Amino acid sequence: ELKVEQNPLFLSMQEGKNYTIYCNYSTTSDRLYWYRQDPGKSLESLFVLLSNGAVKQEGRLMASLDTKARLSTLHITAAVHDLSATYFCAVGLTSGTYKYIFGTGTRLKVLA
Amino acid sequence: GAVVSQHPSRVICKSGTSVKIECRSLDFQATTMFWYRQFPKQSLMLMATSNEGSKATYEQGVEKDKFLINHASLTLSTLTVTSAHPEDSSFYICSARESTGGARVYGYTFGSGTRLTVV
Repeated sequence: ELKVEQNPLFLSMQEGKNYTIYCNYSTTSDRLYWYRQDPGKSLESLFVLLSNGAVKQEGRLMASLDTKARLSTLHITAAVHDLSATYFCAVGLTSGTYKYIFGTGTRLKVLA
Repeated sequence: GAVVSQHPSRVICKSGTSVKIECRSLDFQATTMFWYRQFPKQSLMLMATSNEGSKATYEQGVEKDKFLINHASLTLSTLTVTSAHPEDSSFYICSARESTGGARVYGYTFGSGTRLTVV
């Protein structure tokens, strides 16, 4: 059974601090997606990672992918309150079903 | 960019009635659409994969007679919750895979979600 686990599940941090969210998955895949969800809202696409070693950055967020370790990270630099949300990673299956399997989610709260 | 419209955004229905949720790709053709269910403060659980012109593929544990999916065209998939009960109350989200192959590069587009409350 495919598992996609995120760590931590809940993160409370002060503004200005750095932190990393981890996404581990249990199957072979070369496509990993990060999404943001605000309360009561749908998903906003953040990053698309499609190869081993891929690194992408947007503002205070940076995502990376290590397909050999089956690990993706989402690094937050100098957090601000507006980053408070739930972050999900999703693994794209390569078997032809085109399914995404979502991680457990990380609820981030940035304290002013 | 690709837009997926989901309707209604909120619906309250009485126990025992059926509710239909629509998912439309507005500016692209979607061979495949996906339906997810999300409970409060939990992750998205894939319910089924909807393929245009064929029967939907349901994930293990999802009742196909309870959650009827129809993908009648390349731009429309519907989810009907039949004989709804309070335990069916949840946030339902659809996503669409672009037929032209750009989905791998850009990722799937998600609808805005439907909050279903069964009373």
